[in-house]
Amino acid sequence: GAGVSQTPSNKVTEKGKYVELRCDPISGHTALYWYRQSLGQGPEFLIYFQGTGAADDSGLPNDRFFAVRPEGSVSTLKIQRTERGDSAVYLCASSTGGRRETQYFGPGTRLLVL
Amino acid sequence: KQEVTQIPAALSVPEGENLVLNCSFTDSAIYNLQWFRQDPGKGLTSLLLIQSSQREQTSGRLNASLDKSSGRSTLYIAASQPGDSATYLCAVSYSGNTPLVFGKGTRLSVIA
Repeated sequence: GAGVSQTPSNKVTEKGKYVELRCDPISGHTALYWYRQSLGQGPEFLIYFQGTGAADDSGLPNDRFFAVRPEGSVSTLKIQRTERGDSAVYLCASSTGGRRETQYFGPGTRLLVL
Repeated sequence: KQEVTQIPAALSVPEGENLVLNCSFTDSAIYNLQWFRQDPGKGLTSLLLIQSSQREQTSGRLNASLDKSSGRSTLYIAASQPGDSATYLCAVSYSGNTPLVFGKGTRLSVIA
């Protein structure tokens, strides 16, 4: 079956611009996670959705970052007034929401802010 | 703040060698621990998941152990192959269905 998909796979933008990154989770998965991975680092948690609501957004670095999941399936991560330090790979993962279920990761979106 | 440390940061071995990757975590009250593989430019693939009540998990040539009291896990790879070359990431969860805390990974190169 289809895994987690993310679009675009690569995004180049200029400092100060607005970007949207999309995640399509595995069908039926109620839990959705966003992580950010900088070069040479492990992924760092940004935000977690259970259904339509953000259950934990403690990882969002500042108010320029926002994410939505209006119908409990597809999620969009939005970054306003991008900065060069936002350049990273943004990973999305989903799971069934069960307590023992692993998270399945998408291929990521590589964001480069010039 | 929970921290996960992986040693070594990079490792290069000849084909056929058995090897061990190490992971340590500061807060031993974990719910589970996972080992992932990441190929260059790709997402993460889950290799093994160990619940806190378990001591080890095996899948093919891979064996992961967990010593919760000492805050350590090891990933053992038997008879390494060039196709095993990738970055291996360790991650812990502190309750069911919550965000994972990752280490920085070990970059493995298996030389033919």
